[in-house]
Amino acid sequence: GQNIDQPTEMTATEGAIVQINCTYQTSGFNGLFWYQQHAGEAPTFLSYNVLDGLEEKGRFSSFLSRSKGYSYLLLKELQMKDSASYLCAVLDSNYQLIWGAGTKLIIKP
Amino acid sequence: GAVVSQHPSRVICKSGTSVKIECRSLDFQATTMFWYRQFPKQSLMLMATSNEGSKATYEQGVEKDKFLINHASLTLSTLTVTSAHPEDSSFYICSASTLPGVQNEQFFGPGTRLTVL
Repeated sequence: GQNIDQPTEMTATEGAIVQINCTYQTSGFNGLFWYQQHAGEAPTFLSYNVLDGLEEKGRFSSFLSRSKGYSYLLLKELQMKDSASYLCAVLDSNYQLIWGAGTKLIIKP
Repeated sequence: GAVVSQHPSRVICKSGTSVKIECRSLDFQATTMFWYRQFPKQSLMLMATSNEGSKATYEQGVEKDKFLINHASLTLSTLTVTSAHPEDSSFYICSASTLPGVQNEQFFGPGTRLTVL
């Protein structure tokens, strides 16, 4: 079966750095997405990785290792508004998105 | 650009009634639209994929007679929850893609919170 694993919840302090991990087992791979979802709102796109390595975009970076079936989202200089759920999703060989359950990130002052 | 709207944002209805949710791509033509359902503290679950002018493709376990999808134009898809029951209460989200049937480029609507009493 297809599976996406990410921690259910994480807590971090304002101004700090946090890394949210995602491991996947899917039938084929055509890219991995990270989305941010605030409570009661739809997801918003953060990043897309299809090649190994680190992609940096402002305070957010996303890393992919295809051989390990592993990705992480790195958030720097955390702000209170970063409190949200972070969803990892993998595009399989049929170009269908397989969604993780999401990681709820709680930022404390 | 790439804005998707949904209407209504919230709806409360009585058990047994039908509810229609609209999804519109405002500034682009959406070849494909996707409908998701999300229960509290759970991930998005794809319900169906609809392509303009053709019948929707439903995911396993989703009742096509209960969740009617119409994709009448390149900018509008509707989801009708027929004879809604309390267990249908959920957050319904649509997304739109410019690529036919492909989920690697999709833009999400703001979601519709459905509460069935």
